[in-house]
Amino acid sequence: DAGVIQSPRHEVTEMGQEVTLRCKPISGHDYLFWYRQTMMRGLELLIYFNNNVPIDDSGMPEDRFSAKMPNASFSTLKIQPSEPRDSAVYFCASSFVLTGELFFGEGSRLTVL
Amino acid sequence: EDQVTQSPEALRLQEGESSSLNCSYTVSGLRGLFWYRQDPGKGPEFLFTLYSAGEEKEKERLKATLTKKESFLHITAPKPEDSATYLCAPRGGSNYKLTFGKGTLLTVNP
Repeated sequence: DAGVIQSPRHEVTEMGQEVTLRCKPISGHDYLFWYRQTMMRGLELLIYFNNNVPIDDSGMPEDRFSAKMPNASFSTLKIQPSEPRDSAVYFCASSFVLTGELFFGEGSRLTVL
Repeated sequence: EDQVTQSPEALRLQEGESSSLNCSYTVSGLRGLFWYRQDPGKGPEFLFTLYSAGEEKEKERLKATLTKKESFLHITAPKPEDSATYLCAPRGGSNYKLTFGKGTLLTVNP
């Protein structure tokens, strides 16, 4: 299995621009998670999906953030408009069961100037 | 609110010098404590899950233990390839969420 695939690996953009991060989970995994990692706050859960349905988005920081999962093999995290404080590494993870181990992608490093 | 504190923040060891990393947690109704390893530029990689006080898990030079308030990751005779950030994450019983600590950056010098 190729594992969780994220794109782009690096994104540099200017404040106010729209950013879209993409994720392909491991085939057969029913749960998909979006995390954000910063030095100050560590790894934070933003949102998670079960069978393509958003279950809990309480970690999404603001309305500028949105996430979708149109099918079992694809999810997006969108930031519009982006701000410098959104600079972080965004990870997608998937799992077979809710209480099981998470399989993380390699992350998308976002820099907002 | 669930809380996790990992110590030390950074640890530098010589190859073969054994040590332990600490993870102190406060969660309601622990439903598992997870250890992950994260290499630079990579996503976290699962190592262990512990479910009850007294439980131990081993993998090569690593051994994880659990008490009601802490978990330890013991590293025996480490090698340079053990250098990484080690993250712990308890899961509380009130929800599914993993609360990640900020990690311990381990550097093992040859």
